[in-house]
Amino acid sequence: ILNVEQSPQSLHVQEGDSTNFTCSFPSSNFYALHWYRWETAKSPEALFVMTLNGDEKKKGRISATLNTKEGYSYLYIKGSQPEDSATYLCAFGGTSYGKLTFGQGTILTVHP
Amino acid sequence: NAGVTQTPKFQVLKTGQSMTLQCAQDMNHEYMSWYRQDPGMGLRLIHYSVGAGITDQGEVPNGYNVSRSTTEDFPLRLLSAAPSQTSVYFCASSPRDTVGNQPQHFGDGTRLSIL
Repeated sequence: ILNVEQSPQSLHVQEGDSTNFTCSFPSSNFYALHWYRWETAKSPEALFVMTLNGDEKKKGRISATLNTKEGYSYLYIKGSQPEDSATYLCAFGGTSYGKLTFGQGTILTVHP
Repeated sequence: NAGVTQTPKFQVLKTGQSMTLQCAQDMNHEYMSWYRQDPGMGLRLIHYSVGAGITDQGEVPNGYNVSRSTTEDFPLRLLSAAPSQTSVYFCASSPRDTVGNQPQHFGDGTRLSIL
C-alpha cells in the first residue's frame, strides 16, 4: 500500500488570508500527482495534474508546485474566499494507466 | 453532456443482501475506477479497469466484484453486504494516456448503508 500523506488535516483561515498545504508521496515510480477540490455534497473536481519535477501550475488564485525527487507537492491559495471552503485531495499516480492513490485530504474552512 | 452517471444515489441494504452499483460514462474513456470514501480516510481504490474485458484489484477489493463488458459501463457488485461496507462509493473515469496525466472525472456518488 502506497503512503500518500496530506497535512494539515484541517485548516481554518479568515477571508483574505493566503494558505498552503502539503502532499507527500513516494519518490519512486512516479508518473503523476493530481490535486482535486471536493465540495460538500458534490463530487471531486480536478484542479491540476502534474507530471514533471519542478512543475508549477496555476488556476486563478490557486497554484501548485511539485518536487518528485523529495516526494512532495504544495497547494497554495492566495487571498482565500469563503467559496474556497472544501476538501482538497491529492492523488499519486505510480503507473501510466490511471490508477491513483489518494491522500486523506485537507479540509479548508474560510471564515468571512 | 452526462459525464459519469452513478445509480442509485442512495441505498439501504440488510446484512447479507447483494446488490449492484451502476456506473456509466459517455466520454469513451478507457480507464474506470471504483472508490469508497470513509471519514478520515480519503478515497480508497476498490477495483479498476483499463479497458473493456480488463479489470484489476485496488487497495480494498474484498467483498466486491466488477466486470467491464463495454467501454461505457463498469458495475460494482456487493456479493453479501456487511455493515463494514457502509460508505459512499464513487465511480471515476479518465482517458488513456501513456504518461498518466489525465484527470479523473467523478460521478456524484452512491451513499450505501448496510443495516
